[in-house]
Amino acid sequence: EAGVAQSPRYKIIEKRQSVAFWCNPISGHATLYWYQQILGQGPKLLIQFQNNGVVDDSQLPKDRFSAERLKGVDSTLKIQPAKLEDSAVYLCASSPWGGGAGNEQFFGPGTRLTVL
Amino acid sequence: DQQVKQNSPSLSVQEGRISILNCDYTNSMFDYFLWYKKYPAEGPTFLISISSIKDKNEDGRFTVFLNKSAKHLSLHIVPSQPGDSAVYFCAAKDSGTYKYIFGTGTRLKVLA
Repeated sequence: EAGVAQSPRYKIIEKRQSVAFWCNPISGHATLYWYQQILGQGPKLLIQFQNNGVVDDSQLPKDRFSAERLKGVDSTLKIQPAKLEDSAVYLCASSPWGGGAGNEQFFGPGTRLTVL
Repeated sequence: DQQVKQNSPSLSVQEGRISILNCDYTNSMFDYFLWYKKYPAEGPTFLISISSIKDKNEDGRFTVFLNKSAKHLSLHIVPSQPGDSAVYFCAAKDSGTYKYIFGTGTRLKVLA
């Protein structure tokens, strides 16, 4: 079974530029999550999709961040414009509805964003 | 408001000894607790979980204990191996939203 795919793996941009990240979840997983992990901290949920609907985006800075999950499969996360404090690893995860057998999520390798 | 806390940022243990990683939580709506392991440049990988209706779950060298009254869980690794060196995250799932809340992680170093 293929895992969660993310691209790019690394991205370096100047502040005020735009950037987009892509995620392909495990086939058949209804729930998709985007997390932001700042160095030294745990992953923080940005947005959670159930199929192509948003379940929770309460911690998404909506003035600059946007995300979509068209057709309930792939997802993109965009930052426009980026700020220095957006430097982090952006993790995508997926799970079957309600969580896996152990209620776990399956994570991709992440995209490391550096904003200069 | 940190709902899931890992108060020890790092831990060093000798190979073959027991590693104990601790986690505290505040939200009584959490129904599942999970431990993830993370190596550098990789995403977290699921290690073990426990339902809120249980107090212990064991999988090989890994055992998770849950004390609901104290809102505390711990991960025991026996015996510890150098390959266990990683950052360990405690996470909790909210029964209402299916939202996962992560702790800040504990970096475990197993010394050969």
